[in-house]
Amino acid sequence: KQEVTQIPAALSVPEGENLVLNCSFTDSAIYNLQWFRQDPGKGLTSLLLIQSSQREQTSGRLNASLDKSSGRSTLYIAASQPGDSATYLCAVFWYSGAGSYQLTFGKGTKLSVIP
Amino acid sequence: GAVVSQHPSWVICKSGTSVKIECRSLDFQATTMFWYRQFPKQSLMLMATSNEGSKATYEQGVEKDKFLINHASLTLSTLTVTSAHPEDSSFYICSARQTKAETQYFGPGTRLLVL
Repeated sequence: KQEVTQIPAALSVPEGENLVLNCSFTDSAIYNLQWFRQDPGKGLTSLLLIQSSQREQTSGRLNASLDKSSGRSTLYIAASQPGDSATYLCAVFWYSGAGSYQLTFGKGTKLSVIP
Repeated sequence: GAVVSQHPSWVICKSGTSVKIECRSLDFQATTMFWYRQFPKQSLMLMATSNEGSKATYEQGVEKDKFLINHASLTLSTLTVTSAHPEDSSFYICSARQTKAETQYFGPGTRLLVL
C-alpha cells in the first residue's frame, strides 16, 4: 500500500521568501509524481508532473525534484507572492496491481504568504 | 489541455434525499473515470474507479449501494449519493484519463451539504 506524507501541514512566510515543501512516499515503485494546487473550496490545478525517470521539473518560479530511491520529492517556490497562498498537494501515480494504476494523495501543505 | 467539468458545483439537500453529480470530459474520451472525496483538512480519498461500460470498482469502506456510479459513455460518469445523510457532506472531485498510464485530469469539484 502506498502512503504519501507531506510536511509541514501548514506554512506561513513573508512575501518574497523562497520556500520548500516536502513530500515523501513509502513505495518507490512509482510511475510519476505530481504537484497540485488547491484553492479553498476549489478543485485541483496541476502544477508539475515528474516522470519516474526524471529528477526535476521547472515551471516559472516552481521547481519540483524527485528522488525515487529515497521516496522523496520537494517543491521549491521562489520569491513567494500572496497569490501563491493555497494548499499544495503531492500525489504519486503507481501500479496497484491487477492491471490498475492509482493516484494517492498526501494531505497537503497549506501555504500562507503574508504581504 | 484536457478539460473535465462537474455539475453541479455545489448542492444542498435534505437528509434522506438522493443527489446526482455529473462528471464530463469535454475534449477527450475518458476510458476511466475516478471519484474522490475530500473532507475538511483531509486529503483526497479515492472512492471508486469506473471504466466505460463496466461496473465500478469501489475502494474498501465505500458502500457501493450508497454511492452509485454509472459510466455510460466515454465522456460522462455520474455519482449518485443515495439517501444522503449529514456525514456524506463533503467535497466530491472526479477525474478522467484516456489510457492506463496517462495523467488524470481533474474536475473542479462538487460541494455537497446535507442538512
